[in-house]
Amino acid sequence: EAGVTQFPSHSVIEKGQTVTLRCDPISGHDNLYWYRRVMGKEIKFLLHFVKESKQDESGMPNNRFLAERTGGTYSTLKVQPAELEDSGVYFCASSWTANEQFFGPGTRLTVL
Amino acid sequence: AQSVAQPEDQVNVAEGNPLTVKCTYSVSGNPYLFWYVQYPNRGLQFLLKYITGDNLVKGSYGFEAEFNKSQTSFHLKKPSALVSDSALYFCAVRHMDSNYQLIWGAGTKLIIKP
Repeated sequence: EAGVTQFPSHSVIEKGQTVTLRCDPISGHDNLYWYRRVMGKEIKFLLHFVKESKQDESGMPNNRFLAERTGGTYSTLKVQPAELEDSGVYFCASSWTANEQFFGPGTRLTVL
Repeated sequence: AQSVAQPEDQVNVAEGNPLTVKCTYSVSGNPYLFWYVQYPNRGLQFLLKYITGDNLVKGSYGFEAEFNKSQTSFHLKKPSALVSDSALYFCAVRHMDSNYQLIWGAGTKLIIKP
């Protein structure tokens, strides 16, 4: 069974540019989550989808971040325009139940 | 506010010795606790969880963790460390107001020396 996949694995962009991260969850998992880890700090929750609906987006830092999950399958997280403080590793996870979330390898975003 | 603390940024252990990675939490109600591991250039992998029942939880790769309600701790342990256990370890607790949101510690880097 394929795990959670994320694309790209790395992205280096300049301040002011736009970046879109993609996450493909495990097939059949209705729950999809985005998390972010800024270097050396704790992992922070960004948002949670149930199918195509945003269940909880309390962790989204500001309106430069837009997450979508059209059709309830893969999800995208767009940062527009990117700022220096957006640099970090963005993790996606999916789950069937609340008890175990399966994580992707992460996308390392560097904003110069 | 609910939080998770991993007091050690790094833990160094000699191969073959027992290891402990510490985690304490602050959460209202009954906590659901998790340990995840991140190997270099890999994603987060689930190790084990405590939901209810026996305070000693056994997980993957020979790891175990003990839930201690009075000390609000959930330390990760292994009787005999392997060099391949070297990785970044994260403790997490489920948010009481959400059935799904995880609150994370800052991570502990575990280094096992041959």
